[in-house]
Parts: sequence; C-alpha cells; structure tokens
Amino acid sequence: DQQVKQNSPSLSVQEGRISILNCDYTNSMFDYFLWYKKYPAEGPTFLISISSIKDKNEDGRFTVFLNKSAKHLSLHIVPSQPGDSAVYFCAATNSGYALNFGKGTSLLVTP
Amino acid sequence: EAGVTQSPTHLIKTRGQQATLRCSPISGHTSVYWYQQALGLGLQFLLWYDEGEERNRGNFPPRFSGRQFPNYSSELNVNALELEDSALYLCASSPGKGGTDTQYFGPGTRLTVL
Repeated sequence: DQQVKQNSPSLSVQEGRISILNCDYTNSMFDYFLWYKKYPAEGPTFLISISSIKDKNEDGRFTVFLNKSAKHLSLHIVPSQPGDSAVYFCAATNSGYALNFGKGTSLLVTP
Repeated sequence: EAGVTQSPTHLIKTRGQQATLRCSPISGHTSVYWYQQALGLGLQFLLWYDEGEERNRGNFPPRFSGRQFPNYSSELNVNALELEDSALYLCASSPGKGGTDTQYFGPGTRLTVL
C-alpha cells in the first residue's frame, strides 16, 4: 500500500525556469517530510525537509510547501539548472519510524 | 567526514542461495536502515537497527534478516534467494532514533539473482 505517491514519473523544464515536483500522501499521522535527490549509481542525497507544524521551508533555490489539509507537498526549484537533473524522491514519516518513499520523479533540465 | 559505505557494490547469486550485504554508517550515527529499490518501485523500507536492536521491520518475509554490530555497522542477510529479490539495496544511517533525524544514504549494493 503506497502511502506516498508521486504521480508524475518525469518532468522536463528549461534551464532558468521553475521546476515544481509534487507529492501526495495518505497517512494523516505523517509529521515530517523530506525530499531526496538521486543521481544514477549513487544513493539518495538529502535535499530539504519540512515539519508538519510549518507550511513552507526554504533553502537557497529549493522551497518545499506543505498543504496538510490536502495531504500534498511540493518542491520548487528556482531557477532550475542542468545539474538539477536527477530523480527526486518524496519521503514521509511519523516520528520515531522509518521513511516512506514515493516512486520518484525524474527531472530533466534542458539548456 | 566519510559517508555511509556499502559492500559489495555488485553481487550476483543464483536462486536459493544466500546473500550478505554490509553497511558502515557515518561515524557517530547509531541508527542504520535498510531499503530495497526494485525496478519500477520506490524505496521500500526493510529494516531499522539502533543500538544493536531491531527497532522496526517493513513488510518483507522473514528470510530478510540482519543485525547491527557493536561498532554500529550492519549486515543484511537474504536467505533462499528468489528472482524478485533482484534490486538495489540501500543502507542509510542517522544520528538517532528515526523520526526527524535525516537519513544519509550509501551508494547501494546491486543484487542480481539468476
């Protein structure tokens, strides 16, 4: 039973534009959400996180938005760069437990 | 600071055999997590060890087992290998006991079952 869903397997964006990656979850007990980035032949790398007590968290070009009522979060990358091309995984947890991951969205940023 | 390391990088086994995968966490991290990423699927949580104890287990059969050693390194054992066990196995470590602790991942072990 997939509790974290990333419904877009892929996304293509032009360099300099905004990339928006979406994630939905079903478990209302989740209270902490993370985004990981993965390059081929490497493990996922932590990108940014947000606690359920917040609705936005920003780190440089990366911003995560959380809409608890809709059980939806999104990752915004502005401006997008070719080096951002990777697979992005959304993950969620309720405190004290392991992460639940989505299937990932493959982002391609074209020059 | 060294990251999470995993060995071997690749492992080829035949059906029915046993596989042993190893993970060394970041220095100072006491929690180790194991995940499976099969083709077309996201990361599926397998096992979580902290302070030498199994803390949580994902929805996998008992032939998936592991342990954590006193130095916090960990081993994942898969017995009676089946073709569908072919996947990338990722290990992650965190400073504490799950929850809001960020998990840092190793590069993974690619297991192929023939």
